[in-house]
Amino acid sequence: EDQVTQSPEALRLQEGESSSLNCSYTVSGLRGLFWYRQDPGKGPEFLFTLYSAGEEKEKERLKATLTKKESFLHITAPKPEDSATYLCAVRLNSGYSTLTFGKGTMLLVSP
Amino acid sequence: DGGITQSPKYLFRKEGQNVTLSCEQNLNHDAMYWYRQDPGQGLRLIYYSQIVNDFQKGDIAEGYSVSREKKESFPLTVTSAQKNPTAFYLCASSTGQGSSYNEQFFGPGTRLTVL
Repeated sequence: EDQVTQSPEALRLQEGESSSLNCSYTVSGLRGLFWYRQDPGKGPEFLFTLYSAGEEKEKERLKATLTKKESFLHITAPKPEDSATYLCAVRLNSGYSTLTFGKGTMLLVSP
Repeated sequence: DGGITQSPKYLFRKEGQNVTLSCEQNLNHDAMYWYRQDPGQGLRLIYYSQIVNDFQKGDIAEGYSVSREKKESFPLTVTSAQKNPTAFYLCASSTGQGSSYNEQFFGPGTRLTVL
């Protein structure tokens, strides 16, 4: 069964303390890996799409990378406003454009 | 501004009632989706539609129904057959199957509570 696993489930950082979130997948025929940010009570906000191993994308303090089995979301010198739940999703060859989501990592950045 | 709107933001339902959640998009996207989000769980796909007048069941379609009469609109009805409907419901849209860029963009969500 295709699966997407995110770790850790929750992460608490001090402001300025860099770290990484992990998204591992056991799927065949990956046709894209997506990262979203979700604030409490709101819809997910699109961050990045990665299509092939070795690809990297950056946005402000966030950098997403992709290997054949996992993706990392690196957060450099985080600020309290980076606190949110970060969701990872994959799109498969066999599916139409449907996405399979992980359960997310809840990030809390303390000042 | 282009985007996706969902209404209402909060909805309360008595047991045995059907309720309809609204989703409208002005992004000119062909595809639209409905997800359900429960605490501690990932988003689960309820229904999706690739084109007007066509839709497919997702992973958890039982107790739900949809229609797609217009490109801009994809309403979701939660029927009395759905035994545990209390959840946060998210609508999303994306460009069509032929596009290389298929990111899904989400609305603000509707929180449904069964009284």
